[in-house]
Amino acid sequence: EAGVAQSPRYKIIEKRQSVAFWCNPISGHATLYWYQQILGQGPKLLIQFQNNGVVDDSQLPKDRFSAERLKGVDSTLKIQPAKLEDSAVYLCASSLRSIPRAYEQYFGPGTRLTVT
Amino acid sequence: QKEVEQDPGPLSVPEGAIVSLNCTYSNSAFQYFMWYRQYSRKGPELLMYTYSSGNKEDGRFTAQVDKSSKYISLFIRDSQPSDSATYLCAMQETSGSRLTFGEGTQLTVNP
Repeated sequence: EAGVAQSPRYKIIEKRQSVAFWCNPISGHATLYWYQQILGQGPKLLIQFQNNGVVDDSQLPKDRFSAERLKGVDSTLKIQPAKLEDSAVYLCASSLRSIPRAYEQYFGPGTRLTVT
Repeated sequence: QKEVEQDPGPLSVPEGAIVSLNCTYSNSAFQYFMWYRQYSRKGPELLMYTYSSGNKEDGRFTAQVDKSSKYISLFIRDSQPSDSATYLCAMQETSGSRLTFGEGTQLTVNP
């Protein structure tokens, strides 16, 4: 079974530029998550999709971050404009179900973003 | 105050040692308690989960949950160099699907 795929693996941009990350979840997984993991911290949920719909985006900085999941499969996370504090690893995860077994998430390798 | 507190370490032990990793939490609604392992440049992977209080054992790993003290632990017996990673505790409410992670403890097992 193929795992969660993410691209790019690394990205360096200047502040105020825009950037987009792509995620392809495990086939058949209805739930998709985007996390932000700042160096030395645990992952923080940014947004959760159930198929095409948003379940939880309460921690997404909506003035600069946006995400979409078209056709209930792939997802894209965008930052525009980027700030220095956005430097982090952006993790995508997917799961077959969300409640109550949300812990059964499979994570991708992440995209390491550096904003200079 | 953070909902989940975890000592970031780093923790360095010799091969074969028993390792104890711990987290405390403040949200009484947490019912699922998980431990994830994260190798460098990789995403976290689920090691173990426990529902409510009690112990759970899987090979060299034992997870303990004490809800009365709001304290969870992960024990690793006969630690191996391959156990060197960051260990993240995470918690979930029964009614919700959001995971709340601790900061992670960086563990190094020296041969």
